[in-house]
Amino acid sequence: SQTIHQWPATLVQPVGSPLSLECTVEGTSNPNLYWYRQAAGRGLQLLFYSVGIGQISSEVPQNLSASRPQDRQFILSSKKLLLSDSGFYLCAWSVRLLADEQFFGPGTRLTVL
Amino acid sequence: DAKTTQPPSMDCAEGRAANLPCNHSTISGNEYVYWYRQIHSQGPQYIIHGLKNNETNEMASLIITEDRKSSTLILPHATLRDTAVYYCIADMDSNYQLIWGAGTKLIIKP
Repeated sequence: SQTIHQWPATLVQPVGSPLSLECTVEGTSNPNLYWYRQAAGRGLQLLFYSVGIGQISSEVPQNLSASRPQDRQFILSSKKLLLSDSGFYLCAWSVRLLADEQFFGPGTRLTVL
Repeated sequence: DAKTTQPPSMDCAEGRAANLPCNHSTISGNEYVYWYRQIHSQGPQYIIHGLKNNETNEMASLIITEDRKSSTLILPHATLRDTAVYYCIADMDSNYQLIWGAGTKLIIKP
């Protein structure tokens, strides 16, 4: 069966510090991968998606970047965190890209102080 | 912004059917209606999706009106563990990615 892992579960970082969140998927090959951010009480905002190794599509311009160094690994990064980067970050995967059922990880709660 | 409209919150008694409405009056012909739910501080969980016909699975039923302008998610026998935020998604952006709204907070009461 497929599983998706995210770490860390929670993170508190000072403004201006770097960020690296990791997501890995097990039990499937060539998944489509997604990074979302969720502000408190709001729906999910898609940040990045990837259809393959090294292929990243950005949905919104921002202080963040994403990379996919391996087929089942997706990394969200920042060189300098802003207060507005605080939120709940979710990684997800799907078999097909276009409007397919997505499977979400447990999320990382990031607080930037 | 999402073009779906959902009530911000609803209550339902344990053991009763929970009926969650969603309006998507501007849905286009090839856009599916998806439902996810999110239990507090967890990742969302897929529930069901449909295009035109009503759909049923082990979790829920999805009833889509004939004009496709609205739908209802039905949890037939709600339990306390069904307390969550339920998202109805019927919009896609220019990259065919789903657009999420704020959802309905469903509280199941004993």
